[in-house]
Amino acid sequence: KNEVEQSPQNLTAQEGEFITINCSYSVGISALHWLQQHPGGGIVSLFMLSSGKKKHGRLIATINIQEKHSSLHITASHPRDSAVYICAVRSMDSNYQLIWGAGTKLIIKP
Amino acid sequence: ETGVTQSPTHLIKTRGQQVTLRCSSQSGHNTVSWYQQALGQGPQFIFQYYREEENGRGNFPPRFSGLQFPNYSSELNVNALELDDSALYLCASSLDGLSYNEQFFGPGTRLTVL
Repeated sequence: KNEVEQSPQNLTAQEGEFITINCSYSVGISALHWLQQHPGGGIVSLFMLSSGKKKHGRLIATINIQEKHSSLHITASHPRDSAVYICAVRSMDSNYQLIWGAGTKLIIKP
Repeated sequence: ETGVTQSPTHLIKTRGQQVTLRCSSQSGHNTVSWYQQALGQGPQFIFQYYREEENGRGNFPPRFSGLQFPNYSSELNVNALELDDSALYLCASSLDGLSYNEQFFGPGTRLTVL
């Protein structure tokens, strides 16, 4: 079992829909990251969380430390949101590296 | 504030050759991490440099080596290239290598080994 599991693997939705991507992890963490990767490769850090909730524009990230679960929400989705969204955690046992989920490929259709 | 830059953007090499990839960290950052991302997979941690010293390494063989310079820019060197080394190589910079500091990623170098 992977230490970081994301669901769904693939998600296709219509423009305007509310999107939720989930991340569960099995290790103790000091921080959880949500990142976005567009075709061509560049990775953009969206959020870094250690507790609670963060909001940036139409993006909202929440984390429940007790349940070892985080969600990324996109409100009023738009085709330009189409990308791979990756959850990565920084394990307390390994301060130097991020443990990455496999990513969720999101396609928003106009 | 200057972001993380990487060069070259694309590179084609043949098996057995050596390659050097470069990364300039974000202004003010003293820590650089390197990742390998094979097609369709998540990034894998290669190593991290903090103030010119390697201070963490993933499960990669010694033919993957690195350097960090006094200005905190970094190089990733791969010797004796193998076909499986074809991947996107990402570098990320952060401050002080601490777990609670955010990493900022460069655009990546796509390496193809023929």
